Amino acid sequence: GAGVSQSPSNKVTEKGKDVELRCDPISGHTALYWYRQRLGQGLEFLIYFQGNSAPDKSGLPSDRFSAERTGESVSTLTIQRTQQEDSAVYLCASSAWTSGSMREQFFGPGTRLTVL
Amino acid sequence: QKEVEQNSGPLSVPEGAIASLNCTYSDRGSQSFFWYRQYSGKSPELIMFIYSNGDKEDGRFTAQLNKASQYVSLLIRDSQPSDSATYLCAVGRGKLIFGQGTELSVKP
Repeated sequence: GAGVSQSPSNKVTEKGKDVELRCDPISGHTALYWYRQRLGQGLEFLIYFQGNSAPDKSGLPSDRFSAERTGESVSTLTIQRTQQEDSAVYLCASSAWTSGSMREQFFGPGTRLTVL
Repeated sequence: QKEVEQNSGPLSVPEGAIASLNCTYSDRGSQSFFWYRQYSGKSPELIMFIYSNGDKEDGRFTAQLNKASQYVSLLIRDSQPSDSATYLCAVGRGKLIFGQGTELSVKP
């Protein structure tokens, strides 16, 4: 596609429910990144994928958070047993890699998650 | 020390002036340096990237990188009210670490 797409754009859930967020990167981008942005805060890195593997998942806040990627395309971020502090905008980005270096990251529109 | 620090805002400049945004980082191994613009309620939009020491110009924007000083800056010439946004500095070599952002307000 022309840009990074994410779905849903908004998700309201009850505390304790599981949610799944989806990201579709720019075609041909081998790297995919998940970030979280709480209201009025900066971006927190969660995890990134190079192809199917996740070289760095150091930002996942707890074992309730997991992510997977199939092929070099779609990724899903799953949050189990959601808590109110999980409320945030979840942003996905993708980038190409050339000569072993990351290139520019382009962001999707984000998924706004609200946990009641 | 935060991994990526930006000058605290908000920064207010008159229309037509030069806005100067600064960023320092702690990881000497960082290879990629980006400036993003984020309007309220929107996702970050890439406006400049720089990988080598020196200056890089694109239209009204100039990014400057000094790896020895671990410093990257963004200059916006002829600032316009539409430039009013939060500017995010991002640094990394795999994942990106973002600064907290500097809010810029350009007054007509």
